[in-house]
Amino acid sequence: SQQGEEDPQALSIQEGENATMNCSYKTSINNLQWYRQNSGRGLVHLILIRSNEREKHSGRLRVTLDTSKKSSSLLITASRAADTASYFCATPPPGAGSYQLTFGKGTKLSVIP
Amino acid sequence: KAGVTQTPRYLIKTRGQQVTLSCSPISGHRSVSWYQQTPGQGLQFLFEYFSETQRNKGNFPGRFSGRQFSNSRSEMNVSTLELGDSALYLCASSLVSGAGYEQYFGPGTRLTVT
Repeated sequence: SQQGEEDPQALSIQEGENATMNCSYKTSINNLQWYRQNSGRGLVHLILIRSNEREKHSGRLRVTLDTSKKSSSLLITASRAADTASYFCATPPPGAGSYQLTFGKGTKLSVIP
Repeated sequence: KAGVTQTPRYLIKTRGQQVTLSCSPISGHRSVSWYQQTPGQGLQFLFEYFSETQRNKGNFPGRFSGRQFSNSRSEMNVSTLELGDSALYLCASSLVSGAGYEQYFGPGTRLTVT
């Protein structure tokens, strides 16, 4: 079953604009992670935000986490054509002894040059 | 450090055959997880291995199996292939097993079953 659900499913913006993607999840979490996938390739880890953190930055990326609303958002500022990819949020089940990520279906971002 | 490598990158098999996919984790990483990605179901967890032991398994039939070797390299096997097994199979490695560590993914093996 899907733990994270991204919104919107697809997003098309002009180069230079900001892109915001949202993720909602169902159960309590230890952390939430965002990954990027370029067209049918492997996933690239972007940011991990822990349940006791509210905001985290990495370069042009800003992630927020609201555990009361069970939601997270990923903001990409000053987007570039190279940001065109699918973006996934993922959560490991709380208290799990093993490492198992549950992914959402992703947001497909298209940045138009 | 070299990243996660997966072989082969592309594979075409016929229904009923079996297939073995290989994954070499980042040096020093002991946890290897496998995921299946399809357009319909998205990314789904298959199993995770840590120190040669399967720690967890997703909701897949017994035709899907795997193992991990002492050097942390892992293989997954799918027997009696079905058309629905066509997917991108992704392997990910992590330093240790646990919810607080990021996973590093390989490029994937694209399996097509005809």
